[in-house]
Amino acid sequence: QVQLQESGPGLVKPSETLSLTCTVSGGSISNYYWSWIRQPPGKGLEWIGNIYYSGGTNYNPSLKNRVTISVDTSKNQFSLKLSSVTAADTAVYYCARGAGGVSNFDYWGQGTLVTVSS
Amino acid sequence: QSVLTQPPSASGTPGQRVTISCSGSSSNIGSNNVYWYQQLPGTAPKLLIYRNNQRPSGVPDRFSGSKSGTSAPLAISGLRSEDEADYYCAAWDDSLRGVVFGGGTKLTVL
Repeated sequence: QVQLQESGPGLVKPSETLSLTCTVSGGSISNYYWSWIRQPPGKGLEWIGNIYYSGGTNYNPSLKNRVTISVDTSKNQFSLKLSSVTAADTAVYYCARGAGGVSNFDYWGQGTLVTVSS
Repeated sequence: QSVLTQPPSASGTPGQRVTISCSGSSSNIGSNNVYWYQQLPGTAPKLLIYRNNQRPSGVPDRFSGSKSGTSAPLAISGLRSEDEADYYCAAWDDSLRGVVFGGGTKLTVL
């Protein structure tokens, strides 16, 4: 059974960089798309971006200038960096696997709340 | 403002059939597959419908998806209390070069 687990700081100061890692267990990171999706408290889902296991990326145009997603196949992990954060970036951040289609998120992490505050 | 449009809320009584609409454009629903996700309170979203009308293993056949042009409704028949959740549609958008979600629909079982 594939499992995804997000990890990283739960509190980030304004203007700093948010960094999260998603560890994939129970399956290979190869041959799939891997996405980051966030959900501000009480609001809907927002796709941040994805990376193919070989390294190709796509980013949400509204976040593109601040986002970097990378993959480490040797560790079965992929990571998110979001720079110059503000309170508007406070959200639950999910990692998810895209299988047979970029939007086909068949496995999700449990999510991790990241709060941007001084 | 979400790229895909859903009603913010829907409701029904146990046993009823409810439909949740998802409307988009030619660059997303009109040219790509639609996916539906169910999010129970306090949990991560779960894939409910893939490729417009396919159900993953374990999803009851009470849930059905369809697509026509730039619209893709989700139908839930034989409504049950455990169906009370938020529902999101999603699709790839060729113009934005990214995945777009609907704003979500909160389903209440009365």
